[in-house]
Amino acid sequence: SAVISQKPSRDICQRGTSLTIQCQVDSQVTMMFWYRQQPGQSLTLIATANQGSEATYESGFVIDKFPISRPNLTFSTLTVSNMSPEDSSIYLCSVGRAAQETQYFGPGTRLLVL
Amino acid sequence: AQKVTQAQTEISVVEKEDVTLDCVYETRDTTYYLFWYKQPPSGELVFLIRRNSFDEQNEISGRYSWNFQKSTSSFNFTITASQVVDSAVYFCALSRTTSGTYKYIFGTGTRLKVLA
Repeated sequence: SAVISQKPSRDICQRGTSLTIQCQVDSQVTMMFWYRQQPGQSLTLIATANQGSEATYESGFVIDKFPISRPNLTFSTLTVSNMSPEDSSIYLCSVGRAAQETQYFGPGTRLLVL
Repeated sequence: AQKVTQAQTEISVVEKEDVTLDCVYETRDTTYYLFWYKQPPSGELVFLIRRNSFDEQNEISGRYSWNFQKSTSSFNFTITASQVVDSAVYFCALSRTTSGTYKYIFGTGTRLKVLA
């Protein structure tokens, strides 16, 4: 398993601003994933972040809105840009090595946009 | 299409009752992996079990058991003698490989409320 931390754990932001969420893992991992979970909903994959390459975004998510960095094998950031109230969600990072292995999730960042 | 269906949106049981959470999946892959996660009110996802497509053995872990049936594309989860601490949202997920990478497809989740 992996121990994953996220910062901040929660934040309240004003519309039009941006927030960068950090995800730190206690071991080197190949793949990191960013998910959004809107209130009362399931998890939706935003993008897959591999070290040394650009993130791969899912349909409906774009780099200008959710830029991602992956500078090394233990760290990644997700920025939520030009926020609106619709961006109020829990944002979770997870790590995994392969399809047959378990993904482990961070504790999440609860974001409220006013 | 790849899809995971959890038809039960919310279930309420009284403590000590048994409860089964349903998960039905769709995939054209011959090799795939299924998972169950628990999300308590704190929000963190807790891994419960992983099952691969060529292992249809049922599994029991304490009060938890899982029934995997490829013939009906189901991977159901039973909690025996439920407890208040089991109250959470439970997600079933399908892992598949695509374009050299892989990703999870989550079901919509089942909220379980165990009443004292």
